[in-house]
Amino acid sequence: DADVTQTPRNRITKTGKRIMLECSQTKGHDRMYWYRQDPGLGLRLIYYSFDVKDINKGEISDGYSVSRQAQAKFSLSLESAIPNQTALYFCATSLTGELFFGEGSRLTVL
Amino acid sequence: AQSVTQPDIHITVSEGASLELRCNYSYGATPYLFWYVQSPGQGLQLLLKYFSGDTLVQGIKGFEAEFKRSQSSFNLRKPSVHWSDAAEYFCAVVPLNNQGGKLIFGQGTELSVKP
Repeated sequence: DADVTQTPRNRITKTGKRIMLECSQTKGHDRMYWYRQDPGLGLRLIYYSFDVKDINKGEISDGYSVSRQAQAKFSLSLESAIPNQTALYFCATSLTGELFFGEGSRLTVL
Repeated sequence: AQSVTQPDIHITVSEGASLELRCNYSYGATPYLFWYVQSPGQGLQLLLKYFSGDTLVQGIKGFEAEFKRSQSSFNLRKPSVHWSDAAEYFCAVVPLNNQGGKLIFGQGTELSVKP
């Protein structure tokens, strides 16, 4: 089983819908991250969390929110999805700087 | 502005040829440096990392990278490319003043391998 698991792997939704992407990890790491990948832009940080009580905005947090339900779980929500949020989303964990990634969640907003 | 730059968006090499992917950063102090690879439909896998010490770093899959402070570069190399190396490659840094260890990624370089 993967150490960092993302669900769903693929999702198609409509403008205005609420969407939640979930991430769970078995690595025991305190630090968790959500990144967004767009062609030609690399990965950009949306939110990150040092532990259950710590949530921090990344460079592109507008339109997104997160919840750290437990050390092992970190969810990303789009309260009202819009087409320019169509992207590949990655969850990652970290202990000493190196990131460990999930396999990604591809979201399409029509 | 602080940034990570991968000048080549797409590179094509022949199988068996050597490879060098470029990465430059613009941070005052030497950051932590990483190279990741992303195969189609997959997440990102760490190839190698540099924190300090020997400036030539060996990684997995036969890759190596050399840190050059004077050029603010961390180029990735492989002496002989295999068809399975076709993927997208990302350079990333953690600036030393970056609380939380947030990785900053370059735009990526897509590698194609000709038979």
